[in-house]
Amino acid sequence: AQSVAQPEDQVNVAEGNPLTVKCTYSVSGNPYLFWYVQYPNRGLQFLLKYITGDNLVKGSYGFEAEFNKSQTSFHLKKPSALVSDSALYFCAVSLLINAGNNRKLIWGLGTSLAVNP
Amino acid sequence: DVKVTQSSRYLVKRTGEKVFLECVQDMDHENMFWYRQDPGLGLRLIYFSYDVKMKEKGDIPEGYSVSREKKERFSLILESASTNQTSMYLCASSLIRAGNTIYFGEGSWLTVV
Repeated sequence: AQSVAQPEDQVNVAEGNPLTVKCTYSVSGNPYLFWYVQYPNRGLQFLLKYITGDNLVKGSYGFEAEFNKSQTSFHLKKPSALVSDSALYFCAVSLLINAGNNRKLIWGLGTSLAVNP
Repeated sequence: DVKVTQSSRYLVKRTGEKVFLECVQDMDHENMFWYRQDPGLGLRLIYFSYDVKMKEKGDIPEGYSVSREKKERFSLILESASTNQTSMYLCASSLIRAGNTIYFGEGSWLTVV
């Protein structure tokens, strides 16, 4: 079955330290991969995506993610965490659903990131 | 700037009431989506639409219906609200081309009592 996994429910990191939020996927074909962030009581905000090209993708707020095809992973990273990065992070993969080229996203369950001062 | 607007942020409804959740996007997007978000269950797709008057069932359509009479507007309808429909509802939209970013509204918190 096609799926996305975020193996950690929660990640804790000290401010100023590097952070990694993990995502692995299982889909057929070439994946389109996304990261979103959700602050409390808000909708989801787009951070970055991988479609094709360079495996290292840079996004908003200093975040980046590395696409690793052999490990089927798309981990989100930031060199130096801020307290304001504390939020819920979602990984998603785009799935083709019909011959008309319509797609929908399969979502991970989310990882809660806590950055401690 | 991209804008997806959900008209109601917080609603409290009684069991059995008919509930309308409205969503409008100003980006001329073909695709629109309704999700519900529950703790520990992530985002689950209720319905989506890739054109006016078109709709497709998502993963959990039971107890819901949708309407898309105009391209910019996608409504979620709970015909007879039940307490297990208490949740956060998220509307989203995107262009139809593969790889395009989905943009979300701020969410609607629905409590059914």
